[in-house]
Amino acid sequence: DAEITQSPRHKITETGRQVTLACHQTWNHNNMFWYRQDLGHGLRLIHYSYGVHDTNKGEVSDGYSVSRSNTEDLPLTLESAASSQTSVYFCASSETAESYNEQFFGPGTRLTVL
Amino acid sequence: GDSVTQMEGPVTLSEEAFLTINCTYTATGYPSLFWYVQYPGEGLQLLLKATKADDKGSNKGFEATYRKETTSFHLEKGSVQVSDSAVYFCALSDIQGAQKLVFGQGTRLTINP
Repeated sequence: DAEITQSPRHKITETGRQVTLACHQTWNHNNMFWYRQDLGHGLRLIHYSYGVHDTNKGEVSDGYSVSRSNTEDLPLTLESAASSQTSVYFCASSETAESYNEQFFGPGTRLTVL
Repeated sequence: GDSVTQMEGPVTLSEEAFLTINCTYTATGYPSLFWYVQYPGEGLQLLLKATKADDKGSNKGFEATYRKETTSFHLEKGSVQVSDSAVYFCALSDIQGAQKLVFGQGTRLTINP
């Protein structure tokens, strides 16, 4: 069955370190998204991609970057981790870009920055 | 910009009770509206959606109707079960935003036997 996976599921790091969170989907979807989930804020969009070599900034992109070298993967990099980036991170994908389409979510990565 | 407001949680109900979770939205265009559910330790999954005014989305006994006049998309279920315990998110995707979901803050629901 097609799926979307994230790794690691839990990560503890220190302030100032570079961290990369992996997202891999086997749906062959063109569109991929990264969100962060914080209490009281729901999920907020960090970056998104509509295809290979395409990346776009979302609502809360400062301090994060992504690259899309193939259809299956959209890694999220925290250039210099900060305590404010402690959060749960979700990757999602969708088949087409129409607004009514469902997004499929991964299981999440819980990141703690000390 | 676009926004979604959900009723504050947490919500605790007894099994077989009637459930309503309120959701209102602000959008410049004609958004698609969604309810996603997050079970403990899992990612979000789509519960139901509606793409135009007066549409009713339904799934697993849950329903929500797209009300353009009141800019609302309230989630209802006639008789909840313990297995419905989860966090529920209302979300919109504006046609201008092309798939960028805007979420409400989430409502944690606990059903007691």
